[in-house]
Amino acid sequence: AQSVTQLGSHVSVSEGALVLLRCNYSSSVPPYLFWYVQYPNQGLQLLLKYTTGATLVKGINGFEAEFKKSETSFHLTKPSAHMSDAAEYFCAVRPSTGANSKLTFGKGITLSVRP
Amino acid sequence: EAGVTQFPSHSVIEKGQTVTLRCDPISGHDNLYWYRRVMGKEIKFLLHFVKESKQDESGMPNNRFLAERTGGTYSTLKVQPAELEDSGVYFCASSQNSLSTDTQYFGPGTRLTVL
Repeated sequence: AQSVTQLGSHVSVSEGALVLLRCNYSSSVPPYLFWYVQYPNQGLQLLLKYTTGATLVKGINGFEAEFKKSETSFHLTKPSAHMSDAAEYFCAVRPSTGANSKLTFGKGITLSVRP
Repeated sequence: EAGVTQFPSHSVIEKGQTVTLRCDPISGHDNLYWYRRVMGKEIKFLLHFVKESKQDESGMPNNRFLAERTGGTYSTLKVQPAELEDSGVYFCASSQNSLSTDTQYFGPGTRLTVL
């Protein structure tokens, strides 16, 4: 079975500071990896995903994530936080083999941005 | 293009009552998924439709939950009778294909409160 770990429930950064949201997964075979964001009163929006190819993936709004197989990690980063980045962020995985297409999510982490 | 829509946005019912949630996927998306987030927990998969057929219902908690997708368009999720532990946010997602690389597009969710 697959699982996703997002340590902590809340991260607070200053505007302009680096954003680092951690995600580790557990899977017998490296899965496909996703980051979703949920802004208040909205649905989950895909930020970026890794399936194959380059392990550094760039997404929307200046976010990027790097798949590190040896560390079973897919941490999300943004060099400079903006007030509009305040939201809840979810890391998720899907099997890269077989017919199972359901997403398995981490618990999510809330990002606050201080002026 | 309209996104995934869900109705109602909020529902408050008493234990023992029945509630029906509705999801309208993105037009042309054959795949429809239901997920649920209980307070403080991760978002969990409930089931997956391909057109009108249930592809995977392994996440349905018990037989008080009934999902349908008549004609392969919109879907309903009925909870009867509702219990306190059913409270949470119910998300619907749709995708064009069921490939693991395919993006699932999420609706804003229905917040269900059972008193």
